[in-house]
Amino acid sequence: GAGVSQSPSNKVTEKGKDVELRCDPISGHTALYWYRQSLGQGLEFLIYFQGNSAPDKSGLPSDRFSAERTGGSVSTLTIQRTQQEDSAVYLCASSNLGAQYFGPGTRLLVL
Amino acid sequence: GQQLNQSPQSMFIQEGEDVSMNCTSSSIFNTWLWYKQDPGEGPVLLIALYKAGELTSNGRLTAQFGITRKDSFLNISASIPSDVGIYFCAGSSGNTPLVFGKGTRLSVIA
Repeated sequence: GAGVSQSPSNKVTEKGKDVELRCDPISGHTALYWYRQSLGQGLEFLIYFQGNSAPDKSGLPSDRFSAERTGGSVSTLTIQRTQQEDSAVYLCASSNLGAQYFGPGTRLLVL
Repeated sequence: GQQLNQSPQSMFIQEGEDVSMNCTSSSIFNTWLWYKQDPGEGPVLLIALYKAGELTSNGRLTAQFGITRKDSFLNISASIPSDVGIYFCAGSSGNTPLVFGKGTRLSVIA
């Protein structure tokens, strides 16, 4: 596609449930990044993929968070046993040895 | 870890005024990027800088990559109402996660 797409655009879930967030990067981009943005805050790095491997997972806040990327394209961020503090906008970006381009984000609300 | 200091945190300006914001880093970056984020949207890339000393323009926007590689500024000339939003600087060293500033919230009074 022309840009990075993410789905769903909004997700409301109950505390304790698992959620899956999807990112479709720009075609041909080798690198894919996940960030989290809390209300009125800057962006917090979560995890980075180069191809299908994740050289840097240092930003994942806990072992409830995991991500995978298949075929060097689509990525899924999974949050298990969601907590209220997980509520945020989850942003995906892709790049090809240069500037990173962001998707519109998934707004997650954990009740 | 690496940190970016972005200032000012917020600005209120009159339509038609020029705006300047900047970022400084405790470490060297190879790339400086400036993004704008509107409410409910993801950040949109405004300008990318790849070379120390580089000065790049994009319409009314001008940004510079500092010679020391530890700072960058963004200027907006003749502001208009649609310039309202949050502006983020970001630095990177190669194909690595961006380090973001905390943003400058710009309000334009017509």
